[in-house]
Amino acid sequence: DADVTQTPRNRITKTGKRIMLECSQTKGHDRMYWYRQDPGLGLQLIYYSFDVKDINKGEISDGYSVSRQAQAKFSLSLESAIPNQTALYFCATSDSSGVGQFFGPGTRLTVL
Amino acid sequence: GQNIDQPTEMTATEGAIVQINCTYQTSGFNGLFWYQQHAGEAPTFLSYNVLDGLEEKGRFSSFLSRSKGYSYLLLKELQMKDSASYLCAVLPNDYKLSFGAGTTVTVRA
Repeated sequence: DADVTQTPRNRITKTGKRIMLECSQTKGHDRMYWYRQDPGLGLQLIYYSFDVKDINKGEISDGYSVSRQAQAKFSLSLESAIPNQTALYFCATSDSSGVGQFFGPGTRLTVL
Repeated sequence: GQNIDQPTEMTATEGAIVQINCTYQTSGFNGLFWYQQHAGEAPTFLSYNVLDGLEEKGRFSSFLSRSKGYSYLLLKELQMKDSASYLCAVLPNDYKLSFGAGTTVTVRA
């Protein structure tokens, strides 16, 4: 079984809809991250959480929110999706040293 | 913010060697990573350098010079499956990994 899983893997939605992307991990890591990837721009950090009670904004948090339901679960929400949020979204985890991150398989989101 | 630069694209022939350079300017330094990412897939860890010098792992090697803010990833005996994007990432003082835009390597027969 994969250490970091994401659901859904693909999603097509319409402008204005609320969308939730979910991430679960079995690595026992404290730290979890959400990134988006656009062609030519690399990975940009949206939100990160260093433990269950800790949530922090990353570089591009506007239009997104997160929830850390448990050590193993970290969800990303788009309250009102817009077309420029069309991207590949990755969840990642790391241990408390922060050294090295393990990535989930990604969610391809298309907003029409 | 952090500044990480790497070339956009490189092309090489099967069996050859390719060197991908990465320069960085960050707020503090706690290590440099190289990841491989095939199109549409998750990045996978290749190497980690925290001290100056060369780290070798099979066909892949990574070099770091902290004083120069410079690293390279060396891919030897290139195979078609090495066609992918290679991401340079630096761990600064806030421990939020910062990524370069990636270098797309195309291996030709």
